[in-house]
Amino acid sequence: EAQVTQNPRYLITVTGKKLTVTCSQNMNHEYMSWYRQDPGLGLRQIYYSMNVEVTDKGDVPEGYKVSRKEKRNFPLILESPSPNQTSLYFCASSRQVSYNEQFFGPGTRLTVL
Amino acid sequence: KNQVEQSPQSLIILEGKNCTLQCNYTVSPFSNLRWYKQDTGRGPVSLTIMTFSENTKSNGRYTATLDADTKQSSLHITASQLSDSASYICVVSATGGGNKLTFGTGTQLKVEL
Repeated sequence: EAQVTQNPRYLITVTGKKLTVTCSQNMNHEYMSWYRQDPGLGLRQIYYSMNVEVTDKGDVPEGYKVSRKEKRNFPLILESPSPNQTSLYFCASSRQVSYNEQFFGPGTRLTVL
Repeated sequence: KNQVEQSPQSLIILEGKNCTLQCNYTVSPFSNLRWYKQDTGRGPVSLTIMTFSENTKSNGRYTATLDADTKQSSLHITASQLSDSASYICVVSATGGGNKLTFGTGTQLKVEL
């Protein structure tokens, strides 16, 4: 089944404790992206990758890192999480940029205490 | 600044009734406009994607329209069902690198018996 998977789905952590949220897609998509969704603000792009070893900042990259060593994986790294990073995170992928449907993962709900 | 505004913010309708959701955007240069359906706690799922030259596109009971001159789009839902209860998000893509997407904050639709 074609899908985007994220792990973990739920995470409660404390300020400053490094964490990684994994994202994997099995559709051989070149483009992958991370978003956060907060009430009243809609989805905002954190980072995106147009292909392996190519990543770029989105609208809200501060406090986050990503890597794209393999085509299928695009992990999101929070080196020192803070409470303002409490949010619902979505990973998405698409075949290429521009006119292609984006497939979203199921989401990761992160709480930073 | 690129913006996408949706109205109404929320809507309650009776099962079987039709409804229309609105989306106004100021994204430039325009590439395409997408409508997504997001069930509570899940990732968005694509309903339609329209380019500049397309002014209507259907997906089952969902019909999207686009007026690129006035920068407006609408999503019409026919014969609503309880399963249509969800948030509907309008997303506009700008041309250029990075598949830059601007998300609206969504219309929360509730279909009641």
